[in-house]
Amino acid sequence: DAGVIQSPRHEVTEMGQEVTLRCKPISGHNSLFWYRQTMMRGLELLIYFNNNVPIDDSGMPEDRFSAKMPNASFSTLKIQPSEPRDSAVYFCASSRQWEGYTFGSGTRLTVV
Amino acid sequence: GNSVTQMEGPVTLSEEAFLTINCTYTATGYPSLFWYVQYPGEGLQLLLKATKADDKGSNKGFEATYRKETTSFHLEKGSVQVSDSAVYFCALSDQSGNQFYFGTGTSLTVIP
Repeated sequence: DAGVIQSPRHEVTEMGQEVTLRCKPISGHNSLFWYRQTMMRGLELLIYFNNNVPIDDSGMPEDRFSAKMPNASFSTLKIQPSEPRDSAVYFCASSRQWEGYTFGSGTRLTVV
Repeated sequence: GNSVTQMEGPVTLSEEAFLTINCTYTATGYPSLFWYVQYPGEGLQLLLKATKADDKGSNKGFEATYRKETTSFHLEKGSVQVSDSAVYFCALSDQSGNQFYFGTGTSLTVIP
């Protein structure tokens, strides 16, 4: 199994631009999670899906953030417009019920 | 509600020293407990887990025992190596088995 695949690994964009992060979960996993990690705030859960349905998006910081999961094998996290304070490492993780998460390698986003 | 509290870092140890990282939890019902490790520049990786009281999870020389009476899941290793330098996260899964709650992470540096 290739694990959880995230793309791109690094993204540098200018303030105001739209950014789309992508995630392919492990086949057979029914839950998918988006996290953001910064030195200041640590690991924050942004949103999670169960069977492709968003269950809890209370961690999404603002309306500029949106996430979709159109099918069991793909999810996106979009930031529009992006701001410098959005700079962070964004992780996607997937899991099967009662099993531990498997994390992707992350996308390092820098907004200048 | 569900939450995890782990000891503040950073922790610095000499090679071959004994390691303990404390973790306590608050949960409704009977959660499963996990330790994750994050090496520099990488995503979080599952290190070990325990699914019921008195279970001991172990991997790569690390151990942790699920103590329901003290609501704890402390991580231990008898002799640390430089390659163990990383950030360690304690986590629990809720009763649904779908959502996880992470501690703030403890940074460990092992010096030769």
